[in-house]
Amino acid sequence: AQKITQTQPGMFVQEKEAVTLDCTYDTSDQSYGLFWYKQPSSGEMIFLIYQGSYDEQNATEGRYSLNFQKARKSANLVISASQLGDSAMYFCAIPGDFQKLVFGTGTRLLVSP
Amino acid sequence: DSGVTQTPKHLITATGQRVTLRCSPRSGDLSVYWYQQSLDQGLQFLIQYYNGEERAKGNILERFSAQQFPDLHSELNLSSLELGDSALYFCASIPGPIVFYNEQFFGPGTRLTVL
Repeated sequence: AQKITQTQPGMFVQEKEAVTLDCTYDTSDQSYGLFWYKQPSSGEMIFLIYQGSYDEQNATEGRYSLNFQKARKSANLVISASQLGDSAMYFCAIPGDFQKLVFGTGTRLLVSP
Repeated sequence: DSGVTQTPKHLITATGQRVTLRCSPRSGDLSVYWYQQSLDQGLQFLIQYYNGEERAKGNILERFSAQQFPDLHSELNLSSLELGDSALYFCASIPGPIVFYNEQFFGPGTRLTVL
C-alpha cells in the first residue's frame, strides 16, 4: 500500500521568500508519480505539479518546483518568491491501486506581508 | 476551472436524512473518483467508477452508495446521515481506468453539513 507523510502541520514564510514543504512517501511500485495540490480556504483542490518516478529532471511549473530525491523517497515542494495568495493547505499525494490518490495530512502555509 | 463540476456546492441537512451529490467529469473522461475530506479522517478515497462500472472501493460506509450513468455523470448517495458525515466531498476524473496519468483534476467539492 502507498503512504504519504507530511511532517509539517504548519509553515510560516514572509512574502517574496522561498519555502520548502516536505513530503516523504512509501510505495512498492517501480513506476509511480507524485502530485501536489493546493487547497485555499475556499475549499477547492488545485493541481499544482506532478513528478514521475522515472523523470530525469525535477518538475517545475512557474514558481513551483519539486525537489525529488528518489533514493530518500522524498518529493518536497519548493515555492519561490512567496505571495500572499499562496496561503493555503498543501497536500502531497501518490496514486494507489486504480490510480486513486493517497494523500498526506497536509501542511498549512501562511505567507505574511 | 478544472472542467469537473459538482452540485450542489453546499448542502445542509438533518441527521437521518438522505442526500445525493452530483458530479460531471471533464469532457471525455471515463473514470470518476469520489473522495471525502473530514476534519478527523483527512482526505479519503471512497469509490471509483469507470464507464458505468464500479472499479475500486475505499473506506465507503454501507450507508453510502454511488453510480455512474450512461452520460458519465456520477452520483453519490448518502443515507441515514450522521453528524460525522459532515465533510467536503470531492469528485475527480481522469480519461481511463488504470493508465498512468500525470494530472488528476478535482471538482470544486460539495460541503455537506449534517445538523
